[in-house]
Amino acid sequence: AQTVTQSQPEMSVQEAETVTLSCTYDTSESDYYLFWYKQPPSRQMILVIRQEAYKQQNATENRFSVNFQKAAKSFSLKISDSQLGDAAMYFCAYFNNDMRFGAGTRLTVKP
Amino acid sequence: KAGVTQTPRYLIKTRGQQVTLSCSPISGHRSVSWYQQTPGQGLQFLFEYFSETQRNKGNFPGRFSGRQFSNSRSEMNVSTLELGDSALYLCASSSRAGGIQETQYFGPGTRLLVL
Repeated sequence: AQTVTQSQPEMSVQEAETVTLSCTYDTSESDYYLFWYKQPPSRQMILVIRQEAYKQQNATENRFSVNFQKAAKSFSLKISDSQLGDAAMYFCAYFNNDMRFGAGTRLTVKP
Repeated sequence: KAGVTQTPRYLIKTRGQQVTLSCSPISGHRSVSWYQQTPGQGLQFLFEYFSETQRNKGNFPGRFSGRQFSNSRSEMNVSTLELGDSALYLCASSSRAGGIQETQYFGPGTRLLVL
């Protein structure tokens, strides 16, 4: 079974600085998708970024970028120029036949 | 485009009762997936419907069921409620055309409390 591991239950970053959230996954598949979702206190799940496994190029979305290491089965999220609005739970997710989520990382942004 | 909507937003039930939750996907999306989120188990996949057919199912007991209508709206039903069914139930929609995964967009969730 595919599993997703987020080893950092909590992370903290100073406003305007950079933070990296870690995610590893286990799969025997070669074709899959990876996602980072953000869940603020409102509980609304918001897509942050997506990566297709067949693409070698790391995905970027404005201040958000990933470091996708397929061989190592690692998919970390880098948030640059952190803002107060980035404070939330961040979930890493793996999709092949269905979506599997990690346990989440709670990100605090200090002003 | 309007986002994914879920009704009701909050629900209180007692053990043994049954409950039906509703999800309206983004217009044009034909796939609807359901997830249960609890502090202990995190986010767990319940099932996915595509074109009125259940395409995938997670590891949940038969008390959890769902269906999808011709307009892609979906309902999820939980019978004989247990205290452990208290959770946030999230619905997500995607176009999921031809087996190719498209991004899932989530609704605001229904918070169910079982007393």
